[in-house]
Amino acid sequence: KNEVEQSPQNLTAQEGEFITINCSYSVGISALHWLQQHPGGGIVSLFMLSSGKKKHGRLIATINIQEKHSSLHITASHPRDSAVYICAATSNDYKLSFGAGTTVTVRA
Amino acid sequence: NAGVTQTPKFRILKIGQSMTLQCAQDMNHNYMYWYRQDPGMGLKLIYYSVGAGITDKGEVPNGYNVSRSTTEDFPLRLELAAPSQTSVYFCASSYGEMRGNTIYFGEGSWLTVV
Repeated sequence: KNEVEQSPQNLTAQEGEFITINCSYSVGISALHWLQQHPGGGIVSLFMLSSGKKKHGRLIATINIQEKHSSLHITASHPRDSAVYICAATSNDYKLSFGAGTTVTVRA
Repeated sequence: NAGVTQTPKFRILKIGQSMTLQCAQDMNHNYMYWYRQDPGMGLKLIYYSVGAGITDKGEVPNGYNVSRSTTEDFPLRLELAAPSQTSVYFCASSYGEMRGNTIYFGEGSWLTVV
């Protein structure tokens, strides 16, 4: 069993809809990263958080350390948000445990 | 700043051949990493380095070697390529440890071993 589990695996939304991606982890962590990967492209860091909530534009990330759960929300989704979203958890200084990713497709 | 630069972007290797994937960063980051990404799987750490002259194995180091002679460069060497090494490879860097620092990724290198 992977240390980091994401759900759903795939998600299709209509433009403007609110999207939620969930991430659960089975080990104690010190920080969690949310990453975005566009088709055929590189990987970009969206958030790094160890508690509470962070917001950047239409993206919101939350984490509940006690429940070992994090969520990434996309408000007013747009076709350019179509990408794979990956969560990754770290419990030490160098190792990230990655989820398998959630493929998000936003239709116009 | 260019960030993290990887070359080549695409490469086809024959079984048994060797090659080096180049990675350079211009952000003066101490930590550098090599990951591989296989379909439907999370990224796996191959090797990492916490500074020039220091390297260590990650989760899947077999068949690979690295060196870190400078802060900027972290090449990944594939010796005797095997079909199991067909994957997408990502180099990454961070200023410090993962729990307090953003990680920056290169654009990826698509490698096929035939």
